[in-house]
Amino acid sequence: QSALTQPASVSGSPGQSITISCTGTSSDVGGYNYVSWYQQHPGKAPKLMISNVSNRPSGVSNRFSGSKSDNTASLTISGLQAEDEADYYCGSYTSSNTLVFGGGTKLTVL
Amino acid sequence: EVQLVESGGGLVQPGGSLRLSCAASGFTFSSYGMAWVRQAPGKGLQWVSSISDSGTSTYYADSVKGRFTISRDNSRNTLYLQVDSLRAEDTAVYYCAKVLGLLDPFDPWGQGTLVTVSS
Repeated sequence: QSALTQPASVSGSPGQSITISCTGTSSDVGGYNYVSWYQQHPGKAPKLMISNVSNRPSGVSNRFSGSKSDNTASLTISGLQAEDEADYYCGSYTSSNTLVFGGGTKLTVL
Repeated sequence: EVQLVESGGGLVQPGGSLRLSCAASGFTFSSYGMAWVRQAPGKGLQWVSSISDSGTSTYYADSVKGRFTISRDNSRNTLYLQVDSLRAEDTAVYYCAKVLGLLDPFDPWGQGTLVTVSS
């Protein structure tokens, strides 16, 4: 199972919005509404930010939102804050009854 | 508060074995699937294995199938990962996580335990 494709890095200034893409195939991202997004700060465990494409768990800021079109899912962070600087990973259920992650995207807040 | 605490990591020689444990508290352990996810130093996340709430269904990444075995003891609220025939490329922090759906999403995650495979 190949990893999902994410940009290696994205950046934005405080207050701006950024979008991180996550591209797969019809066997994973495109085939199911089971895409999740995780935030990981250095030296910390990942934290769930978005589940099932666009559901935001309790306690996660409404500045985080998710969407999907065909084989590409997206995470949008609006009103960027310094604390948003972290690595972000997408994950998707696959037709092989497995789970695949993206390679990760490093978000830099300028 | 949900807590997941991994243990059992360490330095092991190639070809060796370890048993990782994940002690769960703060939720009804027997009602949720559980998973192991690993992260090699400086690399991204890699799903390793998942197990259903009852333990009757297990799932593995191709890279570990036949070498790793996931199991659980619902009476002890503990998840296990038996890792055998270890290779250098298995070196990683191993996280356990509570599964909210069939195979995902994972929430929360433990703090991880480091497995280093080296001679």
